[in-house]
Amino acid sequence: QVYLAESGGGEVQPGGSLRLSCAASGFRFKSHGMHWVRQAPGKGLDWVGVILYDGSKAYYGDSVRGRFTISRDNSRNTLFLHLNALSPEDTGVYYCAREAPGDSFNGLDVWGRGTTVTVFS
Amino acid sequence: SYKLTQPPSVSVSPRQTARITCSGEALAKRFAYWYQKRPGQAPILVIYNDSERPSGIPERFSGSSSGTTVTLIIREVQSEDEADYYCQTTDISGGYPHVFGTGTKVTVL
Repeated sequence: QVYLAESGGGEVQPGGSLRLSCAASGFRFKSHGMHWVRQAPGKGLDWVGVILYDGSKAYYGDSVRGRFTISRDNSRNTLFLHLNALSPEDTGVYYCAREAPGDSFNGLDVWGRGTTVTVFS
Repeated sequence: SYKLTQPPSVSVSPRQTARITCSGEALAKRFAYWYQKRPGQAPILVIYNDSERPSGIPERFSGSSSGTTVTLIIREVQSEDEADYYCQTTDISGGYPHVFGTGTKVTVL
């Protein structure tokens, strides 16, 4: 069964750091680009970033570039999101998601249930 | 960065047709993807590449594209279709970053 499970969320003060993990199972993890998407309370989906299948490159959304870092360990089938310089605006549910198979982008076809990050002032 | 604009809400009666639009410059050159998001649940991909339907998604869901606007169409709307819907696209070059639309709340009357 194809499955993604996020962990590592919690409460942190402004300026603090956190590391989220996303454990993958049931598919060939190292063959897929992996994304992070977040949703602030009462707000829409916000694209955080992506890491290529082999970990060679990562790209970020405007709101997190320079503060967040995406990495992966293909030997452990695990994706990471390192959050630094956190602000209350970073509060929300963070989802990891898999790129659907294919030579080009075909959408995000598998999602985790999310982990909650709360940055309190 | 660019934006994708959706109407905040759409209301539809059961068994009628809901149409949700998404507008943005990049859509003239790039595919759109649609996600259904229910409260407390993970998003579900319902349409990819403007009009393709993933396996397991009911045939009631379809998509179309015209210029800078794409449309998600839900025929024979059921109560279970009540959710938020988001479009997504890639950078106009076809790469990253990606962006999500502003989201549309579909209410089944």
